[in-house]
Amino acid sequence: EAQVTQNPRYLITVTGKKLTVTCSQNMNHEYMSWYRQDPGLGLRQIYYSMNVEVTDKGDVPEGYKVSRKEKRNFPLILESPSPNQTSLYFCASSTRQGLEQYFGPGTRLTVT
Amino acid sequence: ELKVEQNPLFLSMQEGKNYTIYCNYSTTSDRLYWYRQDPGKSLESLFVLLSNGAVKQEGRLMASLDTKARLSTLHITAAVHDLSATYFCAAGHNAGNMLTFGGGTRLMVKP
Repeated sequence: EAQVTQNPRYLITVTGKKLTVTCSQNMNHEYMSWYRQDPGLGLRQIYYSMNVEVTDKGDVPEGYKVSRKEKRNFPLILESPSPNQTSLYFCASSTRQGLEQYFGPGTRLTVT
Repeated sequence: ELKVEQNPLFLSMQEGKNYTIYCNYSTTSDRLYWYRQDPGKSLESLFVLLSNGAVKQEGRLMASLDTKARLSTLHITAAVHDLSATYFCAAGHNAGNMLTFGGGTRLMVKP
């Protein structure tokens, strides 16, 4: 089954404790992206990657890092999480042309 | 900076009625997406519109794109309760690598 998986699905952590949210896709897609969803603000793009070792900033990259060492994986790293990063995070992947984006199930992160 | 605005933000309608959701974007975009999100769920891709005048239909939903007016519409025909969800449009730029989402339209269809 074609899918995008994220782990963990739920995470409660404390300010400053480094964390990684993993994202993996099994569709051999070149393109992957991270978004955060906040009430009243919709979805905002954090980072995207057009292929292995190629990443670029979206609209709200501050406080986040990403890496793309393998085609199927695109982890999101929060080096020093803060409460304003409490949000629902989605990973997505698509063909290079971005014709159809497949979204993961989401990770709900709470930073206290 | 690309901005995307959806109207209305909330829509309550009776089953069997027709309605349209509007999506305006502020600068040139190379593609327009529509997504559906059910409560507590992820996003499901509905349509991708690539060119001026593009129209796509799936069941009771029809999406169109007018690039000159920077406007996309999602038309709902004879609404049914199963269509209750939040609908998002997103404008693509940088060859579709970057997406800017609208704020979403929460649709409730009452029996």
